[in-house]
Amino acid sequence: NAGVMQNPRHLVRRRGQEARLRCSPMKGHSHVYWYRQLPEEGLKFMVYLQKENIIDESGMPKERFSAEFPKEGPSILRIQQVVRGDSAAYFCASSPQTGADTEAFFGQGTRLTVV
Amino acid sequence: QQQVKQSPQSLIVQKGGISIINCAYENTAFDYFPWYQQFPGKGPALLIAIRPDVSEKKEGRFTISFNKSAKQFSLHIMDSQPGDSATYFCAASRQTGANNLFFGTGTRLTVIP
Repeated sequence: NAGVMQNPRHLVRRRGQEARLRCSPMKGHSHVYWYRQLPEEGLKFMVYLQKENIIDESGMPKERFSAEFPKEGPSILRIQQVVRGDSAAYFCASSPQTGADTEAFFGQGTRLTVV
Repeated sequence: QQQVKQSPQSLIVQKGGISIINCAYENTAFDYFPWYQQFPGKGPALLIAIRPDVSEKKEGRFTISFNKSAKQFSLHIMDSQPGDSATYFCAASRQTGANNLFFGTGTRLTVIP
C-alpha cells in the first residue's frame, strides 16, 4: 500500500509562472489536506478537501491559490503568478475519514522555489 | 498569531538521556494534540497523540504529558538515541483529526553518541 504520493518533489518556477502540485492520497482515503511549511517554521494549514468538494479553505490565500480534488485523479494545488514569497515546502496529507483519533498520513512534500 | 507555542527551538541531548519538548496553547476548544517527527527531506509522521481526557500517554520510549489547566503539553523521549535526531512538531486541533491542525514551530533534536 503506497503512501501519500506527491509530485514533483522539487519544482522551480520563475516569478509570474504557474505552479501545479499534485497529491495522490493513500488508497481508500477520500480526505485530503494541504499544508505549507516556510523555512524554519511549522506547517500551516491551507485547505481540506473531500472528493469534488472543498470543505475548509480557511488557510488559503485569497488570491492566486486554488485547490481541487476531482472524482478521478490526484488533488491539485495550483498557484498562479508565483512570487518569491511562495517558496516553501507544500505537504499533502490524507485520511480515510475524519473525526476521533483519525490519523492523517503526510506525503514527502513538494519543495517549490521561485526564482 | 501562533496558536501553539513550542520550545526549545533546538535541543542537544546525550545518547541515553531524556529529551523534553514543551508546547503551550491558548484555544480551549482544542481537543486533539498530536506530535509529529520529521526527518530531513521527508514529510511529518505521526509519533503519538493525546486527547485532553487523559494526563499522560506512553508508547515505548515516547510519553506525552498533558496539563489541561495550564494548557500545556510536552513530549518526553526516554533513552534518547542518535536515530531520534529529527525535528519534532507539536500540534493541536479543534477536531480530532487532521483538519486544520495548528503546528508549533518545531524543535530540532540532535542526539549525540
